[in-house]
Amino acid sequence: DSGVTQTPKHLITATGQRVTLRCSPRSGDLSVYWYQQSLDQGLQFLIQYYNGEERAKGNILERFSAQQFPDLHSELNLSSLELGDSALYFCASSVGPGASSTNEKLFFGSGTQLSVL
Amino acid sequence: QQQVKQSPQSLIVQKGGIPIINCAYENTAFDYFPWYQQFPGKGPALLIAIRPDVSEKKEGRFTISFNKSAKQFSLHIMDSQPGDSATYFCASISYNFNKFYFGSGTKLNVKP
Repeated sequence: DSGVTQTPKHLITATGQRVTLRCSPRSGDLSVYWYQQSLDQGLQFLIQYYNGEERAKGNILERFSAQQFPDLHSELNLSSLELGDSALYFCASSVGPGASSTNEKLFFGSGTQLSVL
Repeated sequence: QQQVKQSPQSLIVQKGGIPIINCAYENTAFDYFPWYQQFPGKGPALLIAIRPDVSEKKEGRFTISFNKSAKQFSLHIMDSQPGDSATYFCASISYNFNKFYFGSGTKLNVKP
């Protein structure tokens, strides 16, 4: 058990809808990362938050947004869903902001499987 | 554009064999190269990692070989076991530039 909690485990919805994925990082971790895993794209980095602030942005669509709350949990909001958004969404956490002077380790949750029908 | 290219896509070896998974990266700004292991239904878990100032790192049966000039690194699993059957991802990270890229994954099957 990595200590990172993601809910829900499975989500089935229809095109055009909006969903929210939730992540609770490991105790003491200040950074939260969101990744999308699909069969043909592998693991794609979406976005990172550190202590409530956006720190890094990857291949995140404009229809997607995220935030990290004062209690450090994070939510990923996916709107105007399309069939191609069906994927496994992972949250990961780490202690610090990811500075190159430290050996940051990412701890992944078990993921949320999103199916858009 | 794929920042990290991983091969092969899948690999089957017999128990005791030495599977080798290769990754190549483009950006010389990357300064941290971890490997992650993922079992079905689970999130990836850090297996071993290397920085570009060393050419090899061993942890148990897992070894990373790193070739900075060729911008390539590989994972070797010594004396592989059926329990090593999983999907393996390499990653290239540049913390200074906040860039995190994963390879496309290699599904390893170790036959008893």
